[in-house]
Amino acid sequence: EPEVTQTPSHQVTQMGQEVILRCVPISNHLYFYWYRQILGQKVEFLVSFYNNEISEKSEIFDDQFSVERPDGSNFTLKIRSTKLEDSAMYFCASSDRGYTSSYEQYFGPGTRLTVT
Amino acid sequence: AQSVAQPEDQVNVAEGNPLTVKCTYSVSGNPYLFWYVQYPNRGLQFLLKYITGDNLVKGSYGFEAEFNKSQTSFHLKKPSALVSDSALYFCAVSLTGGGNKLTFGTGTQLKVEL
Repeated sequence: EPEVTQTPSHQVTQMGQEVILRCVPISNHLYFYWYRQILGQKVEFLVSFYNNEISEKSEIFDDQFSVERPDGSNFTLKIRSTKLEDSAMYFCASSDRGYTSSYEQYFGPGTRLTVT
Repeated sequence: AQSVAQPEDQVNVAEGNPLTVKCTYSVSGNPYLFWYVQYPNRGLQFLLKYITGDNLVKGSYGFEAEFNKSQTSFHLKKPSALVSDSALYFCAVSLTGGGNKLTFGTGTQLKVEL
């Protein structure tokens, strides 16, 4: 069964450093998303991406964040200058076009980002 | 704006008994509703969805949920709980159409005991 994969599983970085979180969505999916979950809190939407551009972003997704689909398979989230409060589990998700019966988003296992 | 409320932080149930995990939502327009399950140190796993049609939807592992438009609820149910069902359950809502963000509730920890 196809699945969303994410690397690395755990990333430790120092405050102020740049990090890139990587995701490989399900191959025939066209919508891509990033969410985050701060420890003990609910899952929060960051950004959605379709047709090589951001379709929606939350207020969390400020100028320190960017997303990119550098090739036909990877989808990345970059945090330019990490802050302590960026420490969280980051989930990538993908969904298909929505013209079929599928609207659900499929999530990867997450990358735990720890900023020290 | 869209929002989801899960009023119970934790639900305890004995194995073999029926379980219910509650969810209410608020959205402008017709909702798409979802349940996801999260096991420790794992990602979110899709359980079931309501898009349109029959108000009772069936999903994975014997779970089902009932959409109630008048009460704006989408409670998750299972007739007979298993210890292996113990996990964190999230209700989520999105606007109709593909590619829309999910808004999650705060999650309900389900504990099934022998």
